[in-house]
Amino acid sequence: KAGVTQTPRYLIKTRGQQVTLSCSPISGHRSVSWYQQTPGQGLQFLFEYFSETQRNKGNFPGRFSGRQFSNSRSEMNVSTLELGDSALYLCASSSSYGYTFGSGTRLTVV
Amino acid sequence: GIQVEQSPPDLILQEGANSTLRCNFSDSVNNLQWFHQNPWGQLINLFYIPSGTKQNGRLSATTVATERYSLLYISSSQTTDSGVYFCAVASGGSYIPTFGRGTSLIVHP
Repeated sequence: KAGVTQTPRYLIKTRGQQVTLSCSPISGHRSVSWYQQTPGQGLQFLFEYFSETQRNKGNFPGRFSGRQFSNSRSEMNVSTLELGDSALYLCASSSSYGYTFGSGTRLTVV
Repeated sequence: GIQVEQSPPDLILQEGANSTLRCNFSDSVNNLQWFHQNPWGQLINLFYIPSGTKQNGRLSATTVATERYSLLYISSSQTTDSGVYFCAVASGGSYIPTFGRGTSLIVHP
């Protein structure tokens, strides 16, 4: 069974640009969650999608958005990038036995 | 929301030593997981353990939900055990895990 796949692994963007990150969950898993990890704030929950609907949302500004497709793949978008958005973005798919995370996308905003 | 506190924040060991990592949480638990984050950032699921005790090789975990804590035991540590260990807890009406700040473990050869 393939794990959670995140692309790309690394990204460098300029302030003001936008970025789209992709996550493919474990086959058969319909829930996808996104987390942001920074040295200062640790791991913080962004949002969760289930069957193409956003089911839960963390405390992030509207510049952070996401969506989920009918095949359960999810994308998150960050618009008008700020230096503080530099972070490791982790995606997880969940089942009754907890969360399984992908390898993450490391975003650097310059 | 729930508060998740991990201790110690940092731990340095010699290869072969044993250690205990602790996770305290402030509310009743729906689910609890322990993760190991390797130097490349990958979060690896170690245990799904909302209650009871589980063992997997040199690692074991115990959650005492009534007393709101969980322990992760690492025996005969190896250099590959180095990294950050996170406890993630969901509680109350939520199933979204809140992460602790982690325990950073360095194992020297």
